[in-house]
Amino acid sequence: QQQVRQSPQSLTVWEGETAILNCSYENSAFDYFPWYQQFPGEGPALLISILSVSDKKEDGRFTIFFNKREKKLSLHIADSQPGDSATYFCAASAKDSGYNKLTFGKGTVLLVSP
Amino acid sequence: GPKVLQIPSHQIIDMGQMVTLNCDPVSNHLYFYWYKQILGQQMEFLVNFYNGKVMEKSKLFKDQFSVERPDGSYFTLKIQPTALEDSAVYFCASSFGGLSYEQYFGPGTRLTVL
Repeated sequence: QQQVRQSPQSLTVWEGETAILNCSYENSAFDYFPWYQQFPGEGPALLISILSVSDKKEDGRFTIFFNKREKKLSLHIADSQPGDSATYFCAASAKDSGYNKLTFGKGTVLLVSP
Repeated sequence: GPKVLQIPSHQIIDMGQMVTLNCDPVSNHLYFYWYKQILGQQMEFLVNFYNGKVMEKSKLFKDQFSVERPDGSYFTLKIQPTALEDSAVYFCASSFGGLSYEQYFGPGTRLTVL
């Protein structure tokens, strides 16, 4: 049973558009949700994160929207740039593990076309 | 951002041999992690390590696996003996801990067991 699900599996948007990447989870104990960006051949880089006490977190062009009731969150990338083309992973962690164990989704491959 | 280094980037070994994967975590971080990613799958938690001890391990962390960080040097993952199913990319991560949940990942070591 996959605890963190991401959709779509892949997404293509035009430069300047807003890309929307979706994530859902099963475990109600999850309350910390980081998003990671990974380029080919590199390790995942922390992009932005949110705690479940918030319903929105913004950092520049990146925004997380969080719906605790529905156990869903989404990453919005505004004004998408070709350099944003990468795989994006949604992850989740729980306070009862000290936030010391991340559960990852399978990722969304984003392609931004110029 | 903070850098985690991993050595080597690639390792090819014969089944049954021992392998040691090395990780140089962020200098002031206190918590260390290993994750495993099989091609096309999500990253999966293996183990976390704090104050010289394993705190939590997953069912993927078989008896043939061990971790240590002798005298503040590399944080290592040793597999002895290796099996074909150990072929994967292994990512090391580190975090400061406490209220600082963020885990920072290295570039990974691609292990191929023949």
